[in-house]
Amino acid sequence: KAGVTQTPRYLIKTRGQQVTLSCSPISGHRSVSWYQQTPGQGLQFLFEYFSETQRNKGNFPGRFSGRQFSNSRSEMNVSTLELGDSALYLCASSPAGPGANVLTFGAGSRLTVL
Amino acid sequence: AQSVTQPDIHITVSEGASLELRCNYSYGATPYLFWYVQSPGQGLQLLLKYFSGDTLVQGIKGFEAEFKRSQSSFNLRKPSVHWSDAAEYFCAVGTYNNNDMRFGAGTRLTVKP
Repeated sequence: KAGVTQTPRYLIKTRGQQVTLSCSPISGHRSVSWYQQTPGQGLQFLFEYFSETQRNKGNFPGRFSGRQFSNSRSEMNVSTLELGDSALYLCASSPAGPGANVLTFGAGSRLTVL
Repeated sequence: AQSVTQPDIHITVSEGASLELRCNYSYGATPYLFWYVQSPGQGLQLLLKYFSGDTLVQGIKGFEAEFKRSQSSFNLRKPSVHWSDAAEYFCAVGTYNNNDMRFGAGTRLTVKP
């Protein structure tokens, strides 16, 4: 069974640009969650999507947005990039029902903002 | 609101020695507790989880953890550490059907030969 796939793995952007990151969950998983990981703040929850609807949202500004498609694939977008957005962005998928809390993480997309 | 504290930022142990990584949580109801491991440049891999039942849970790679409600702790243990266990370890707490999990700051494990 293929794991959670995130693309791109690495990217460099400049301040003011926008970026879109993609996540393909494990087949059959309907929930996709996004986390930001930085040395200073650690792992922070961004949002969770389930059946194309945002189910939960963390405490991030509106520049951070996401969506989920009918095949459960998800994208997150960060607009007007700031230096502080440099981070490892992790996507995780989980099944619906029993085991819903058991997250399987992808390898992450490392974003550098210059 | 739930929170997690991992008191040790960095731990060094010799290969073959035992290991215990500490985790304290704060949560009003029954917590869902997890330990994840992250190798450099990689995502997080689930080691074990506790939802209910037996307070001693077994995980992958020979790890185990014990839930102690009275101490609000969920410490991770391994009887004999291997060099390949060098990584960063994260404790996390969540609630049922909510993937807004709170992670500890992590404990970096170094294994001496």
